[in-house]
Amino acid sequence: AQSVTQLDSQVPVFEEAPVELRCNYSSSVSVYLFWYVQYPNQGLQLLLKYLSGSTLVKGINGFEAEFNKSQTSFHLRKPSVHISDTAEYFCATSSGSARQLTFGSGTQLTVLP
Amino acid sequence: EPEVTQTPSHQVTQMGQEVILRCVPISNHLYFYWYRQILGQKVEFLVSFYNNEISEKSEIFDDQFSVERPDGSNFTLKIRSTKLEDSAMYFCASSPRTSNQPQHFGDGTRLSIL
Repeated sequence: AQSVTQLDSQVPVFEEAPVELRCNYSSSVSVYLFWYVQYPNQGLQLLLKYLSGSTLVKGINGFEAEFNKSQTSFHLRKPSVHISDTAEYFCATSSGSARQLTFGSGTQLTVLP
Repeated sequence: EPEVTQTPSHQVTQMGQEVILRCVPISNHLYFYWYRQILGQKVEFLVSFYNNEISEKSEIFDDQFSVERPDGSNFTLKIRSTKLEDSAMYFCASSPRTSNQPQHFGDGTRLSIL
């Protein structure tokens, strides 16, 4: 069974500083990786996805992630965060014919003024 | 941009009662899903639905759960006899025709069992 580990449950960071949210997944022959963001009292919004091709994936709101097969990682990065980036971030994976998403436990990003 | 819509946003129900959570997926999507998130825990897959039948389900999705697409737009999750541990946020999602396209999520229904 697929599994996803988000190593940090909470990440506080000052405004305009860079941030990296870590995600590791269990290895599979083929894997598809996603980052979703959840703002308070809202649903899950797709930030970016890796299906195949270039290992550096750019998403919305200035976020990017790098697929690293040897380290089974898909870390999310942003060079300069804003207060409005405060939210919970979920890494998720699906693989092969299984369409269901397996989620990590989430990372609460808090951007401080 | 098209959205997945869920109603109600919050449902309070007595233990043992039946509850129906409703979802309207994005209109040209063919795959539909339910997930739940118990407070403080991971988002967990419940069931996927394609071509008017369940395509996958998790161990959580036992006999007290059922899903239905009663018409061309709605997708429902029914819990027959609710338990305290069913209290959670329930998310509906949909995805388009092609495989491994991202799933689009609704804002969720918070289910509180008393």
